[in-house]
Amino acid sequence: KAGVTQTPRYLIKTRGQQVTLSCSPISGHRSVSWYQQTPGQGLQFLFEYFSETQRNKGNFPGRFSGRQFSNSRSEMNVSTLELGDSALYLCASSWRERGTDTQYFGPGTRLTVL
Amino acid sequence: KNEVEQSPQNLTAQEGEFITINCSYSVGISALHWLQQHPGGGIVSLFMLSSGKKKHGRLIATINIQEKHSSLHITASHPRDSAVYICAVIFSGSARQLTFGSGTQLTVLP
Repeated sequence: KAGVTQTPRYLIKTRGQQVTLSCSPISGHRSVSWYQQTPGQGLQFLFEYFSETQRNKGNFPGRFSGRQFSNSRSEMNVSTLELGDSALYLCASSWRERGTDTQYFGPGTRLTVL
Repeated sequence: KNEVEQSPQNLTAQEGEFITINCSYSVGISALHWLQQHPGGGIVSLFMLSSGKKKHGRLIATINIQEKHSSLHITASHPRDSAVYICAVIFSGSARQLTFGSGTQLTVLP
């Protein structure tokens, strides 16, 4: 069974631009969660989608948004990029929602904002 | 404030040593995850537990709900165990999102 895939793997943007990251979960998984990892803040929860509905959102500004499609693939968007948005963005999928199940992580998208 | 603390932050061991990484949390939880992150970023879920003990190969995870503490043990450590180990919890009654510890950088020397 194929694992969680994320595209692109690496991305360089400039301040003020917007970016869209994609995550394809393991087949059959309906929950997709997004996380941001930075050297200063570590891993932080962004949001979770389950069956196309946002179930949970972390403490991030409205510039961070996401959605989930009927095939469970998910995208996250960051608008008006800031230097501090440079990070590794990870998604994880699972059978059940709300972190009550083993999470399978993708390889991440490394975003650099110049 | 809901917090997760890990210790030690850094750990260097010789191949074959028994290793323990600790995780403490501030309030009640419904689940605790142990994760492993290798250089390059990939994260692997090692265990999810809400009580007792789980074992997988040379890895053992325990949790004491009353003491709000969990440990991850590695027996007969090997250089390939070198990675960052991260504890993450779901606090009871919260929005049920994962809150992460800062991680433990483990280096196992041959």
